[in-house]
Amino acid sequence: GQQLNQSPQSMFIQEGEDVSMNCTSSSIFNTWLWYKQEPGEGPVLLIALYKAGELTSNGRLTAQFGITRKDSFLNISASIPSDVGIYFCAGPNAGGTSYGKLTFGQGTILTVHP
Amino acid sequence: ETGVTQSPTHLIKTRGQQVTLRCSSQSGHNTVSWYQQALGQGPQFIFQYYREEENGRGNFPPRFSGLQFPNYSSELNVNALELDDSALYLCASSLFPATSGGASETQYFGPGTRLLVL
Repeated sequence: GQQLNQSPQSMFIQEGEDVSMNCTSSSIFNTWLWYKQEPGEGPVLLIALYKAGELTSNGRLTAQFGITRKDSFLNISASIPSDVGIYFCAGPNAGGTSYGKLTFGQGTILTVHP
Repeated sequence: ETGVTQSPTHLIKTRGQQVTLRCSSQSGHNTVSWYQQALGQGPQFIFQYYREEENGRGNFPPRFSGLQFPNYSSELNVNALELDDSALYLCASSLFPATSGGASETQYFGPGTRLLVL
């Protein structure tokens, strides 16, 4: 089945630093989604990407849809303590018996030290 | 907040019991997907409901079943609970087909129900 490889697995950074994480797949995705999950909560959608090469920002967050459609990147600028959480990339199945399925990466755990 | 609500927030059951989890989709959405998230893992797709029918299914046994109601809310039922069923169960809603500017695959998650099976 489809798999998403997300890296790094965890990051420990100082407040104010920039963060980069990425997600790669052996399969092509037509949509890339980035979510953030805090303890005890459901994933919250941060950015959705729908076209290869697309670069989209949401405040201090910027994500890009790779041209090959097999990868995506998420950058966070000037990190703050509330950025702490687990960041997931996800991509949807286009069809077949698992229509509607989002495949998730393993997540990147972000810790920000004040 | 996404507008997706789930109940209950927490639940404790014993092995062999049955459980029903509930989800109300975001206003304007007609599709509900369910995911299981074990501790330290990403969410795993269970199934999706559209027009009150199962629209897609992941690798989960038949004892995981669901319903969607005319108001688009949904239930997840799990029979013969096993210890490994302990997890956070997430519901996500979406709109199919998508209106302009977004894809139908964009799913918005509720806060989840934490199930513990003893």
